[in-house]
Amino acid sequence: DIVMTQTPLSSPVTLGQPASISCRSSQSLVQSDGNTYLSWLQQRPGQPPRLLIHKISNRFSGVPDRFSGSGAGTDFTLKISRVEAEDVGVYYCMQATQFPRTFGQGTKVEIK
Amino acid sequence: QVQLVQSGAEVKKPGASVKVSCKASGYTFTSYDINWVRQATGQGLEWMGWMNPNSGNTGYAQKFQGRVTMTRNTSISTAYMELSSLRSEDTAVYYCTRGTRVGDYWGQGTLVTVSS
Repeated sequence: DIVMTQTPLSSPVTLGQPASISCRSSQSLVQSDGNTYLSWLQQRPGQPPRLLIHKISNRFSGVPDRFSGSGAGTDFTLKISRVEAEDVGVYYCMQATQFPRTFGQGTKVEIK
Repeated sequence: QVQLVQSGAEVKKPGASVKVSCKASGYTFTSYDINWVRQATGQGLEWMGWMNPNSGNTGYAQKFQGRVTMTRNTSISTAYMELSSLRSEDTAVYYCTRGTRVGDYWGQGTLVTVSS
């Protein structure tokens, strides 16, 4: 199974300041079709997960442009350019290149 | 708008089975796979398996092989996940989510509590 490792596990951030979360996979996520199936999910307290970004850098419908994804191969990053109060929650990376699908441990973003 | 609406919370005894439903609306049910993901309280996300609603084909995580069954009723656009031989470690919120590669829409979750 592909192991997804996120850092940090906790990220206290000042409102209006940037935040960055890293995700590393134990093997390349490049699929034979040339796509890299790495997604980022946000889970607000008491809510189901919500898709933010798919295929490394594609924002899902309705996701604010302060969220951006980057990376390649085994190393990926989610950035929030200016954290807002509604961004509090846990963020997960997820790979869908291979079965079984696997998730990172989650990174808790909270306001300082 | 796309919606996945799940059945309500369940309390089961160890050894019993539970069947969770996921009713889809706002899109063609047979056009997108349904995946099931669970989350124990305060823990991360765990993928359980997928089902193609058109063909009925399924794929399960090895951890759940032999205990999980994913089915569907296309006439009512509903997917089901049944987990048998329940144990306390199966206490979790179970989510259905749409998509082969990407969980673009998620159900609200169904809490399954396993307790004697």
